[in-house]
Amino acid sequence: QVQLVQSGAEVKKPGASVKVTCKASGYTFISYDINWVRQAPGQRLEWMGWINAGNGNTKYSQKFQGRVTFTRDTSTSTAYMELSSLRSEDTAVYFCAREALVYWGQGTLVTVSS
Amino acid sequence: DIVMTQSPDSLAVSLGERATINCKSSQNILDRSNNKNYLAWFQQKLGQPPKLLIYWASARESGVPDRFSGSGSGTDFTLTISSLQAGDVAVYYCHQFYSTPYTFGQGTKVEIK
Repeated sequence: QVQLVQSGAEVKKPGASVKVTCKASGYTFISYDINWVRQAPGQRLEWMGWINAGNGNTKYSQKFQGRVTFTRDTSTSTAYMELSSLRSEDTAVYFCAREALVYWGQGTLVTVSS
Repeated sequence: DIVMTQSPDSLAVSLGERATINCKSSQNILDRSNNKNYLAWFQQKLGQPPKLLIYWASARESGVPDRFSGSGSGTDFTLTISSLQAGDVAVYYCHQFYSTPYTFGQGTKVEIK
Protein backbone atom coordinates (compact mmCIF):
# COMPACT_ATOMS: atom_id res chain seq x y z
CA GLN A 1 0.00 0.00 0.00
CA VAL A 2 1.11 3.55 -0.71
CA GLN A 3 2.69 5.24 2.30
CA LEU A 4 4.36 8.57 2.83
CA VAL A 5 6.18 8.80 6.16
CA GLN A 6 7.51 12.15 7.29
CA SER A 7 10.21 13.11 9.74
CA GLY A 8 9.43 14.23 13.28
CA ALA A 9 8.56 17.57 14.77
CA GLU A 10 11.12 20.36 14.72
CA VAL A 11 11.67 23.47 16.82
CA LYS A 12 13.73 26.19 15.18
CA LYS A 13 14.81 29.74 15.98
CA PRO A 14 13.94 32.64 13.69
CA GLY A 15 16.39 32.89 10.83
CA ALA A 16 17.25 29.20 10.87
CA SER A 17 16.43 26.56 8.26
CA VAL A 18 14.47 23.34 8.50
CA LYS A 19 14.55 20.24 6.32
CA VAL A 20 11.57 17.88 6.33
CA THR A 21 11.79 14.40 4.87
CA CYS A 22 9.07 12.37 3.19
CA LYS A 23 9.85 8.69 2.60
CA ALA A 24 7.65 6.97 0.04
CA SER A 25 6.85 3.28 -0.25
CA GLY A 26 4.36 1.03 -1.99
CA TYR A 27 4.68 2.52 -5.46
CA THR A 28 7.24 3.50 -8.09
CA PHE A 29 8.66 6.69 -6.60
CA ILE A 30 9.88 8.27 -9.83
CA SER A 31 6.49 7.98 -11.50
CA TYR A 32 4.71 10.66 -9.47
CA ASP A 33 5.22 14.25 -8.37
CA ILE A 34 5.42 15.04 -4.68
CA ASN A 35 3.55 18.12 -3.52
CA TRP A 36 4.23 20.06 -0.33
CA VAL A 37 1.33 21.70 1.52
CA ARG A 38 1.41 23.48 4.85
CA GLN A 39 -1.21 24.39 7.43
CA ALA A 40 -0.59 27.10 9.99
CA PRO A 41 -2.63 26.91 13.21
CA GLY A 42 -6.27 27.67 12.47
CA GLN A 43 -5.46 28.54 8.86
CA ARG A 44 -6.38 27.10 5.51
CA LEU A 45 -4.18 24.66 3.66
CA GLU A 46 -1.46 26.35 1.62
CA TRP A 47 0.18 24.76 -1.40
CA MET A 48 3.94 25.32 -1.51
CA GLY A 49 4.83 23.56 -4.76
CA TRP A 50 5.87 20.23 -6.19
CA ILE A 51 8.85 18.24 -7.33
CA ASN A 52 8.86 15.77 -10.20
CA ALA A 53 10.35 12.75 -8.48
CA GLY A 54 11.56 11.38 -11.81
CA ASN A 55 13.61 14.27 -13.20
CA GLY A 56 13.82 16.58 -10.19
CA ASN A 57 12.06 19.49 -11.87
CA THR A 58 10.35 21.78 -9.40
CA LYS A 59 7.52 24.28 -9.30
CA TYR A 60 7.38 26.66 -6.35
CA SER A 61 4.60 28.93 -5.21
CA GLN A 62 5.74 32.50 -5.73
CA LYS A 63 5.14 33.12 -2.02
CA PHE A 64 8.00 30.79 -1.09
CA GLN A 65 10.27 31.32 -4.09
CA GLY A 66 13.82 31.88 -2.94
CA ARG A 67 13.22 30.45 0.52
CA VAL A 68 12.16 26.90 -0.24
CA THR A 69 14.01 24.06 -1.95
CA PHE A 70 12.59 20.69 -2.92
CA THR A 71 14.95 17.81 -3.57
CA ARG A 72 14.65 14.06 -3.82
CA ASP A 73 16.80 10.96 -3.52
CA THR A 74 15.57 8.29 -5.90
CA SER A 75 17.82 5.63 -4.32
CA THR A 76 15.85 5.88 -1.05
CA SER A 77 12.50 7.06 -2.48
CA THR A 78 12.68 10.12 -0.28
CA ALA A 79 11.62 13.70 -0.94
CA TYR A 80 12.89 16.68 1.01
CA MET A 81 11.57 20.17 1.68
CA GLU A 82 13.97 22.77 3.04
CA LEU A 83 12.68 26.15 4.17
CA SER A 84 15.15 28.86 5.11
CA SER A 85 15.07 32.23 6.87
CA LEU A 86 12.35 30.94 9.15
CA ARG A 87 10.02 33.37 10.89
CA SER A 88 7.25 32.87 13.40
CA GLU A 89 4.65 32.85 10.62
CA ASP A 90 6.22 29.65 9.27
CA THR A 91 5.01 27.74 12.32
CA ALA A 92 2.80 25.12 10.73
CA VAL A 93 2.25 21.46 9.98
CA TYR A 94 3.99 20.59 6.73
CA PHE A 95 2.58 17.78 4.60
CA CYS A 96 3.92 15.94 1.62
CA ALA A 97 1.33 14.48 -0.73
CA ARG A 98 1.61 12.41 -3.87
CA GLU A 99 0.47 13.80 -7.19
CA ALA A 100 -3.26 14.63 -7.26
CA LEU A 101 -3.14 14.78 -3.44
CA VAL A 102 -4.61 11.30 -3.04
CA TYR A 103 -1.97 10.08 -0.60
CA TRP A 104 -0.59 12.24 2.21
CA GLY A 105 2.12 12.01 4.79
CA GLN A 106 1.15 12.29 8.43
CA GLY A 107 2.47 15.84 8.68
CA THR A 108 5.48 17.40 10.40
CA LEU A 109 5.00 20.19 12.92
CA VAL A 110 7.60 22.92 12.56
CA THR A 111 7.61 25.46 15.36
CA VAL A 112 9.58 28.68 14.95
CA SER A 113 10.19 30.38 18.24
CA SER A 114 12.93 32.36 19.90
CA ASP B 1 -3.99 33.86 -7.51
CA ILE B 2 -7.39 32.18 -7.59
CA VAL B 3 -9.23 32.79 -4.33
CA MET B 4 -11.53 30.04 -3.09
CA THR B 5 -14.34 31.15 -0.78
CA GLN B 6 -16.50 28.65 1.07
CA SER B 7 -19.84 29.13 2.76
CA PRO B 8 -20.83 28.69 5.46
CA ASP B 9 -17.79 28.72 7.76
CA SER B 10 -19.53 26.21 10.00
CA LEU B 11 -22.58 24.03 9.83
CA ALA B 12 -24.49 21.98 12.42
CA VAL B 13 -26.70 19.24 10.99
CA SER B 14 -28.75 16.51 12.64
CA LEU B 15 -27.73 12.90 12.08
CA GLY B 16 -29.27 11.59 8.88
CA GLU B 17 -29.94 15.06 7.51
CA ARG B 18 -28.37 16.74 4.48
CA ALA B 19 -25.31 18.98 4.72
CA THR B 20 -24.47 21.36 1.87
CA ILE B 21 -21.24 23.30 1.50
CA ASN B 22 -20.66 25.90 -1.18
CA CYS B 23 -17.42 26.98 -2.78
CA LYS B 24 -16.85 29.88 -5.12
CA SER B 25 -13.70 30.51 -7.12
CA SER B 26 -12.60 34.02 -8.07
CA GLN B 27 -11.90 32.83 -11.62
CA ASN B 28 -13.28 30.19 -13.91
CA ILE B 29 -11.69 26.80 -13.29
CA LEU B 30 -13.37 24.93 -16.12
CA ASP B 31 -11.05 23.91 -18.91
CA ARG B 32 -13.26 24.00 -21.99
CA SER B 33 -10.78 21.93 -24.01
CA ASN B 34 -11.57 18.85 -21.92
CA ASN B 35 -14.73 20.04 -20.14
CA LYS B 36 -13.19 19.37 -16.75
CA ASN B 37 -13.52 21.52 -13.66
CA TYR B 38 -10.23 21.53 -11.77
CA LEU B 39 -11.91 21.38 -8.37
CA ALA B 40 -11.48 18.88 -5.56
CA TRP B 41 -12.99 18.44 -2.11
CA PHE B 42 -11.12 17.23 0.97
CA GLN B 43 -12.21 16.11 4.41
CA GLN B 44 -9.88 16.75 7.34
CA LYS B 45 -10.48 15.26 10.76
CA LEU B 46 -8.73 16.60 13.82
CA GLY B 47 -5.05 15.74 13.88
CA GLN B 48 -5.12 13.99 10.51
CA PRO B 49 -4.01 14.91 7.00
CA PRO B 50 -6.71 15.82 4.50
CA LYS B 51 -8.50 13.02 2.68
CA LEU B 52 -9.51 13.39 -0.95
CA LEU B 53 -13.25 12.91 -1.43
CA ILE B 54 -14.10 14.37 -4.83
CA TYR B 55 -12.05 15.42 -7.88
CA TRP B 56 -13.00 16.96 -11.24
CA ALA B 57 -15.80 18.60 -9.20
CA SER B 58 -18.02 15.51 -9.20
CA ALA B 59 -15.93 12.31 -9.43
CA ARG B 60 -15.90 10.37 -6.19
CA GLU B 61 -12.54 9.02 -5.07
CA SER B 62 -12.35 5.25 -4.68
CA GLY B 63 -13.73 4.09 -1.33
CA VAL B 64 -15.62 7.29 -0.58
CA PRO B 65 -19.22 6.59 0.45
CA ASP B 66 -21.86 7.58 -2.09
CA ARG B 67 -23.53 9.92 0.40
CA PHE B 68 -20.79 12.38 -0.61
CA SER B 69 -21.42 14.10 -3.92
CA GLY B 70 -20.02 17.11 -5.73
CA SER B 71 -21.58 19.38 -8.31
CA GLY B 72 -21.11 22.68 -10.04
CA SER B 73 -19.10 24.18 -12.86
CA GLY B 74 -17.15 27.27 -13.78
CA THR B 75 -16.93 29.23 -10.55
CA ASP B 76 -19.63 27.77 -8.29
CA PHE B 77 -19.43 24.36 -6.66
CA THR B 78 -21.21 22.36 -3.99
CA LEU B 79 -20.35 19.42 -1.77
CA THR B 80 -23.37 17.54 -0.44
CA ILE B 81 -23.46 14.96 2.31
CA SER B 82 -26.87 13.39 1.76
CA SER B 83 -27.28 11.77 5.18
CA LEU B 84 -24.85 12.97 7.81
CA GLN B 85 -23.14 10.30 9.90
CA ALA B 86 -21.26 10.81 13.16
CA GLY B 87 -17.98 9.98 11.41
CA ASP B 88 -18.48 12.87 8.98
CA VAL B 89 -17.66 15.46 11.65
CA ALA B 90 -14.68 17.24 10.12
CA VAL B 91 -13.53 20.33 8.29
CA TYR B 92 -14.13 20.28 4.56
CA TYR B 93 -11.99 22.16 2.05
CA CYS B 94 -12.46 22.90 -1.62
CA HIS B 95 -9.31 23.12 -3.72
CA GLN B 96 -8.53 24.38 -7.20
CA PHE B 97 -5.77 22.82 -9.24
CA TYR B 98 -6.49 24.77 -12.41
CA SER B 99 -3.55 27.13 -12.11
CA THR B 100 -0.62 27.62 -9.79
CA PRO B 101 -0.42 28.53 -7.05
CA TYR B 102 -3.02 25.90 -6.29
CA THR B 103 -5.31 27.20 -3.57
CA PHE B 104 -7.78 26.01 -0.98
CA GLY B 105 -10.92 27.40 0.56
CA GLN B 106 -10.89 28.52 4.18
CA GLY B 107 -12.70 25.39 5.29
CA THR B 108 -16.19 24.57 6.55
CA LYS B 109 -16.56 22.90 9.91
CA VAL B 110 -19.35 20.32 10.01
CA GLU B 111 -20.76 19.32 13.38
CA ILE B 112 -23.69 17.32 14.70
CA LYS B 113 -26.69 19.30 15.86
